[in-house]
Amino acid sequence: QSALTQPRSVSGSPGQSVTISCTGTSSDVGGYNYVSWYQQHPGKAPKVIIYAVSKRPPGVPDRFSGSKSGNTASLTISGLQAEDEADYYCCSYAGSYSSFVFGTETKVTVL
Amino acid sequence: QVQLQQWGAGLLKPSETLSLTCGVSGGSLSIYYWIWIRQSPVKGLEWIGEINHSGSTDYNASLKSRVTISVDTSKNQFSLNLSSLTAADTAVYYCARRLSLWGEAFDIWGQGTVVTVSS
Repeated sequence: QSALTQPRSVSGSPGQSVTISCTGTSSDVGGYNYVSWYQQHPGKAPKVIIYAVSKRPPGVPDRFSGSKSGNTASLTISGLQAEDEADYYCCSYAGSYSSFVFGTETKVTVL
Repeated sequence: QVQLQQWGAGLLKPSETLSLTCGVSGGSLSIYYWIWIRQSPVKGLEWIGEINHSGSTDYNASLKSRVTISVDTSKNQFSLNLSSLTAADTAVYYCARRLSLWGEAFDIWGQGTVVTVSS
C-alpha cells in the first residue's frame, strides 16, 4: 500500500488561507469516508484536527476544515495563524489488508 | 481523561526484537482498538497494527511476519513486539487509540519512544 500523496510544503501570510491536498486511490481515500488529518509540532505526537473527512474534534478551531472529492481529500486552514506552523498528515482507512495509510508530510510555514 | 504512557528499550542491535508496552490510564481497554504507529524520516507515519480488548488483531501486511501485538486487560496495557530488526526499523514508535465514533481516527497518542537499531 503506497502512502497518500501530499505537497511537501505550503506557505501563507497570517490571515491568509492555505489548502493541503491528499491524493489516494479508490481503495483508500475514494472508497471510504474515514479520512482524518493530523497536526504535528516538533517533538510532539500528532494531534487529530479533522476526522471523518470534515468533522472537527472539540477544541479544534473552526478555521480548520476538511473535504473530499473522488480520490482526493483536502484540508483548508482559513485565517492562518502563527501557531498553525507545523507538519500535517492525512490518513485514510484502506480496507482489510492495509487497514490505514498515511499521507506524506506537508510542512506549513507562516510567513 | 484517558492517557497513554509507553515504555521500552530504545537502543537495539540488528536481528534483535523490539518490545514496547503502552499503559492506559483514566479509562478501560474495552470497546476501543489500540494501535501502534511508527514515524521515520524515510517512510513518514506508518500504521503497524492494532488490537482490541478481546485480543483480535490486524497487522500491516508489510510487517505482518515480524509483528506481534498483545493485550493484558488485567494491567490495562498492550504491547508491541517486532522481531528481526534492521536499521530500517529505526523510528519513533507511538501507541494510540482508534475511535470509531470519530470515523476511525486516532484520538489519543502516547508520548512516543525513539528506537534506534544499530550495531
